[in-house]
Amino acid sequence: QSVLTQPPSASGTPGQRVTISCSGSSSNVGSNTVHWYQDLPGTAPKLLIYTNNQRPSGVPDRFSGSKSGTSASLAISGLQSEDEADYYCAAWDDSLNAVVFGGGTKVTVL
Amino acid sequence: QVQLVQSGAEVMRPGASVKVSCKTSGSYYMHWVRQAPGQGLEWIGIINPSGGGTTYAQKFQGRVTMTRDTSTSTIYMELSSLRSEDTAVYYCARDLERHAFDIWGQGTMVTVSS
Repeated sequence: QSVLTQPPSASGTPGQRVTISCSGSSSNVGSNTVHWYQDLPGTAPKLLIYTNNQRPSGVPDRFSGSKSGTSASLAISGLQSEDEADYYCAAWDDSLNAVVFGGGTKVTVL
Repeated sequence: QVQLVQSGAEVMRPGASVKVSCKTSGSYYMHWVRQAPGQGLEWIGIINPSGGGTTYAQKFQGRVTMTRDTSTSTIYMELSSLRSEDTAVYYCARDLERHAFDIWGQGTMVTVSS
């Protein structure tokens, strides 16, 4: 049982917009910044969004992040076949004194 | 391009200890994260490469030790009393800011099997 809650799966056709939610509590998402990672099989996870809505250099602007209260979301617009991957949200938890992750969302491009 | 280079795969017996290394650069805080086969990401802990201070996830306290060698810019993660559930890929990762991991090592597969 992950501290942050994500839907196990999401899907869309090429070109569509897909949104992934990340629900937490006042001790994590509600009081700290949220980061998002893309996980492709056989490779190390990649930082996609940091500090709620910042994109590292090289990440396409099709990826965007937002946060409101104790929830955050990752949006992928103009979905492409190479976006098929697992996506994880993460945040620091003040009560646990630890980084906590969501359970991951598998995005499928139909 | 900054890279983090980890040590190679390990096969360990239950009850043994494993020590994984990660060659870093700079003085960023560094984290260890693991991923069991087919499972999600799990945070193990953080180390300050300069001062050596550490914080461990409660689940691993008493079993994990993170250290660093400033002369070689290498950090280490040692996990003891290994059990089959510790079979996973272990990653070191650099803390960009506010615990966002922007650079990851290539991963070290640790297999615990009798």
